[in-house]
Amino acid sequence: GAVVSQHPSRVICKSGTSVKIECRSLDFQATTMFWYRQFPKKSLMLMATSNEGSKATYEQGVEKDKFLINHASLTLSTLTVTSAHPEDSSFYICSARSRGSGYTFGSGTRLTVV
Amino acid sequence: GENVEQHPSTLSVQEGDSAVIKCTYSDSASNYFPWYKQELGKGPQLIIDIRSNVGEKKDQRIAVTLNKTAKHFSLHITETQPEDSAVYFCAASSSGAGSYQLTFGKGTKLSVIP
Repeated sequence: GAVVSQHPSRVICKSGTSVKIECRSLDFQATTMFWYRQFPKKSLMLMATSNEGSKATYEQGVEKDKFLINHASLTLSTLTVTSAHPEDSSFYICSARSRGSGYTFGSGTRLTVV
Repeated sequence: GENVEQHPSTLSVQEGDSAVIKCTYSDSASNYFPWYKQELGKGPQLIIDIRSNVGEKKDQRIAVTLNKTAKHFSLHITETQPEDSAVYFCAASSSGAGSYQLTFGKGTKLSVIP
């Protein structure tokens, strides 16, 4: 079946630094990738949608300058949290969509900003 | 936009009993309805999905039903086992405007008591 690899699974960084999270579709080409944020005991909140080679579409209230998304190829999307602060601490999850594979989720990244 | 309501928020059942989780959606254009299981600290895993041209789908102990007229769909788990304990999310997606975004319910925490 379709597999999405997300790295790192956990990261701790200092306030003011930037963190990059990678999302790769391993055995299929993703026409669209999605980035979600999930707070404890809450549902997934869509942050942005990205298509290969074009700019990401951000949801209302999501700062595009803080959460930089790059979708350089049909198998790789990255989310960079810039100048991270403690309030950015959260569980970030990517999802890749293809016509044949539907939606496949990564295993998530636990970001802790200290 | 789409709005997905999910009930109940928590559900406890005895091992071997059945569990039912219900969701309603608002956008009549939605045509894809997946169910995900999420274990603590992990990404959502697809357990079953249904498209709007089908009323029911079954995969071993798991079944999903869809009522397009009433705009609701349900997950049925029979012969529950302790390993079924997790948070379950329903979602709805429409290909309208080409966005293919998934809108999630708020989740149901299922506890199967041995």
